[in-house]
Amino acid sequence: EAQVTQNPRYLITVTGKKLTVTCSQNMNHEYMSWYRQDPGLGLRQIYYSMNVEVTDKGDVPEGYKVSRKEKRNFPLILESPSPNQTSLYFCASSLGLLTGELFFGEGSRLTVL
Amino acid sequence: QKEVEQNSGPLSVPEGAIASLNCTYSDRGSQSFFWYRQYSGKSPELIMFIYSNGDKEDGRFTAQLNKASQYVSLLIRDSQPSDSATYLCAGDLESSASKIIFGSGTRLSIRP
Repeated sequence: EAQVTQNPRYLITVTGKKLTVTCSQNMNHEYMSWYRQDPGLGLRQIYYSMNVEVTDKGDVPEGYKVSRKEKRNFPLILESPSPNQTSLYFCASSLGLLTGELFFGEGSRLTVL
Repeated sequence: QKEVEQNSGPLSVPEGAIASLNCTYSDRGSQSFFWYRQYSGKSPELIMFIYSNGDKEDGRFTAQLNKASQYVSLLIRDSQPSDSATYLCAGDLESSASKIIFGSGTRLSIRP
């Protein structure tokens, strides 16, 4: 089954404790992206990757890191989480012909205390 | 800051009627536009995309694009209760087709 898998789905953590949200896709998509969704603000792009070892900032990259060492994986790293990073996070991938044709993961709800 | 704007709603439409969802964008160079449906507690799923001026139809859904007016719309004919969801409009940026900007979404409620 074609899918984008994120883990963990739910996480409560404390300020400053490094965490990683994993994202994996099995569709051999070149393009992958991370979004956060907050009430009233919609989906905002954090980082995206056009292919292995190629990443770029989206609109809200501060406080986040990513890496793309393999085509299927695109982890999101919060080195020192803060309460303003409490949000619902979505990973998405696209074949790349039209990068807006996105397949989304199920989402990861993160709470930073 | 390039933007995609939507009325947040809620938009309430009787079952069987046409639901009309609208979206405007600020980047005149944007080329491609996308409509996503998001049920409560779920992830967005792509319904339609459009990149040419005019109408594009897919079943009960019609996407409309007017680049001169920087306006995108989604029509849902014969609305069903299962169409009740938040609809997200998205567009690419002229400067980078890899950056997709989403609107904040319109909540649609279909009343029986």
